[in-house]
Amino acid sequence: GIQVEQSPPDLILQEGANSTLRCNFSDSVNNLQWFHQNPWGQLINLFYIPSGTKQNGRLSATTVATERYSLLYISSSQTTDSGVYFCAVDLVFWGGKLIFGQGTELSVKP
Amino acid sequence: DGGITQSPKYLFRKEGQNVTLSCEQNLNHDAMYWYRQDPGQGLRLIYYSQIVNDFQKGDIAEGYSVSREKKESFPLTVTSAQKNPTAFYLCASQGSSSYEQYFGPGTRLTVT
Repeated sequence: GIQVEQSPPDLILQEGANSTLRCNFSDSVNNLQWFHQNPWGQLINLFYIPSGTKQNGRLSATTVATERYSLLYISSSQTTDSGVYFCAVDLVFWGGKLIFGQGTELSVKP
Repeated sequence: DGGITQSPKYLFRKEGQNVTLSCEQNLNHDAMYWYRQDPGQGLRLIYYSQIVNDFQKGDIAEGYSVSREKKESFPLTVTSAQKNPTAFYLCASQGSSSYEQYFGPGTRLTVT
């Protein structure tokens, strides 16, 4: 089956710093989502981005589908950015099985 | 408010007992999903349903059962056959016009 690898597994930042999280996947995908899991366990949708680039405030994401990777950029990090960031992919657009990576645990220190 | 609700938030059971986790959505979404998360791990798919009265096994369906009698509801039963049931269980849904899955707040199940 499709493999999803995220790096780094852990990241500690000082407030205000920038970071880049990476997601590599082993097959062509039609669905790729980035999520943030907050300390209470809630998964929050960040981006649906099977290809191209999107930006939302301090966050942006780029997926290079032909090279099978996606990057999540966090700029001017805040303590509220702490948590686990997951990349998830699917071979189909809809109704299929999202395959999750192991996540990147981000800790932003004040 | 539109969204996905899961109840209860925390659930404690004795080994050997079946337990049912609730998932309800009022988003009018066709597809619904159950995932399991173990500490420090990503999510793994248990069951999913694309339409009422139909569902498919995910990657780790053994020891679990589901039903989809109504569009808005997708309960998950953790049976006594599930060898390691203690975990965080997350329900998700997906609308027919959206490629994004949206998640409920989760239920933490502890079996002793």
